Amino acid sequence: GENVEQHPSTLSVQEGDSAVIKCTYSDSASNYFPWYKQELGKRPQLIIDIRSNVGEKKDQRIAVTLNKTAKHFSLHITETQPEDSAVYFCAAHNNNDMRFGAGTRLTVKP
Amino acid sequence: ETGVTQTPRHLVMGMTNKKSLKCEQHLGHNAMYWYKQSAKKPLELMFVYNFKEQTENNSVPSRFSPECPNSSHLFLHLHTLQPEDSALYLCASSQDLAGAFEQYFGPGTRLTVT
Repeated sequence: GENVEQHPSTLSVQEGDSAVIKCTYSDSASNYFPWYKQELGKRPQLIIDIRSNVGEKKDQRIAVTLNKTAKHFSLHITETQPEDSAVYFCAAHNNNDMRFGAGTRLTVKP
Repeated sequence: ETGVTQTPRHLVMGMTNKKSLKCEQHLGHNAMYWYKQSAKKPLELMFVYNFKEQTENNSVPSRFSPECPNSSHLFLHLHTLQPEDSALYLCASSQDLAGAFEQYFGPGTRLTVT
């Protein structure tokens, strides 16, 4: 089955700086890579996703890159704001199975 | 948000009790999931149902018993739980399993086993 590893487990940045979270996956058949954000006490919610036929996708301050050869993908948040503080989960999906990474707790200090 | 609802939101039960968690989705989705979220394993997949049929049991102990009477409802029946089963139990749904679709999560049930 799929195995997803996520790093770092915690990340602290100053407001306005960039944050990068990296994930690797094991199953080369995986073709969909979503990122979820979970604020304290709330449910996880999708913030951006990328499919295997695309190398990069951007939505305002958030971008995701995918390297299929190396089997890794990354979340980039630019101009971070305190409201970006949350736990971020990456995931990899291979048609019948989606596995999540262990999560990254991002803290943006004002 | 009311797309995926879960009841109860909080539950305290003894190790000899029997209780059930309920999940309902109003999105017309065909796939539903149970996850366990704890400090040790942040998002641990437990069960997957697609068109009411269980497609995955991720080595979950038999003291957890899922039930999916239709595509909109999912239950998790609990009996003789252990203190280490205390966690947040999240339900999610997606349009389908085949292909790749966003999962919509419910608010979760915070379970405490005493």
